[in-house]
Amino acid sequence: DTAVSQTPKYLVTQMGNDKSIKCEQNLGHDTMYWYKQDSKKFLKIMFSYNNKELIINETVPNRFSPKSPDKAHLNLHINSLELGDSAVYFCASSETAFFNGYTFGSGTRLTVV
Amino acid sequence: GENVEQHPSTLSVQEGDSAVIKCTYSDSASNYFPWYKQELGKRPQLIIDIRSNVGEKKDQRIAVTLNKTAKHFSLHITETQPEDSAVYFCAASMQGAQKLVFGQGTRLTINP
Repeated sequence: DTAVSQTPKYLVTQMGNDKSIKCEQNLGHDTMYWYKQDSKKFLKIMFSYNNKELIINETVPNRFSPKSPDKAHLNLHINSLELGDSAVYFCASSETAFFNGYTFGSGTRLTVV
Repeated sequence: GENVEQHPSTLSVQEGDSAVIKCTYSDSASNYFPWYKQELGKRPQLIIDIRSNVGEKKDQRIAVTLNKTAKHFSLHITETQPEDSAVYFCAASMQGAQKLVFGQGTRLTINP
């Protein structure tokens, strides 16, 4: 069974469109994250939720809106997609918010054309 | 600021030799330091971690050392094998911020 699953795995879309990425974890973890990995492989945190509550919101354009309906799910909605949004987006979870190893999802490769 | 510097960005070693990757961090309150391995097209996977109350940790061919005074930590891989080829990331916890900040990554290539 996949511990942290993301859908879709690949997403190709035109500029200006709105898209969503879904993430689910079956590990019983309290905390979930969204990270963006750019073309140079740099991993940067975007958001973090602990038990459905937003605890980290980095400097991310407000076109990006996370939603956590329950502690096992964290979705990412992106409005008005831009070319610069092209990247791999990783969902991750950890047992608690305080410094445990992350389990990453398999990633969503977003390409904006 | 919140910063983790990782060196080198690329590393090529002969199979059987050792590889060392180094990281420095800025936040003196950081107390958790994991290392992740990312194979091509795959997710990052935790390979080893160390907490600030320990100076060294070893798991088979992989070891991590931590120098809190100097604020740096290193990953050591001995007897390298072709399957060790990947991108390796260090990370440090940012106290109070409840997040991991990652280094820029090191692309390790093991030459047969």
